[in-house]
Amino acid sequence: DTGVSQNPRHKITKRGQNVTFRCDPISEHNRLYWYRQTLGQGPEFLTYFQNEAQLEKSRLLSDRFSAERPKGSFSTLEIQRTEQGDSAMYLCASSPPGREVYEQYFGPGTRLTVT
Amino acid sequence: QKEVEQNSGPLSVPEGAIASLNCTYSDRGSQSFFWYRQYSGKSPELIMFIYSNGDKEDGRFTAQLNKASQYVSLLIRDSQPSDSATYLCAVNRLANNNDMRFGAGTRLTVKP
Repeated sequence: DTGVSQNPRHKITKRGQNVTFRCDPISEHNRLYWYRQTLGQGPEFLTYFQNEAQLEKSRLLSDRFSAERPKGSFSTLEIQRTEQGDSAMYLCASSPPGREVYEQYFGPGTRLTVT
Repeated sequence: QKEVEQNSGPLSVPEGAIASLNCTYSDRGSQSFFWYRQYSGKSPELIMFIYSNGDKEDGRFTAQLNKASQYVSLLIRDSQPSDSATYLCAVNRLANNNDMRFGAGTRLTVKP
């Protein structure tokens, strides 16, 4: 499978705990994006990496959220002190380099439930 | 006003008919436009993108863009029950889409 992969696929955690999600983009895709999606809504942009550099962050990304892409390959998204409002599907997407329009390809997502 | 607006539906069409999905956007500077299909519980799947005014065809799908009216649509010809899904419209101000804005989606049901 050469698509975007995300782990874990599901995560149930108690309020106040920290969680970390991983995303592996399509090979050779240098752009990587994180989104959050709640029921009945479209994905909301969280942050964007080009190679290892985090170039954009949404205002949605509070201080409890941090993302890294240390070697320009996989990325992690960490949520500290989770709250019930963090329950959502967290989606990762990647784009190939050198295009006029950078279409994004999504992974299967990580569904987070905070109890 | 939402940045990207779609009729939530549900839109119901009979099998074999043409399904027409519409999307309007508020940022006149938007340059690239995307249609994604999302099955229940799954992640969005790219159908096609368009960035020039006019029509773009790919198999049974046709995207139409009218920047003057800030309107983009997706036509699905010969609709099949397997096309039943939520269709998301996404818009980006730049061709290099670092911050893509999504609509809430239109739910399409194709009845056999």
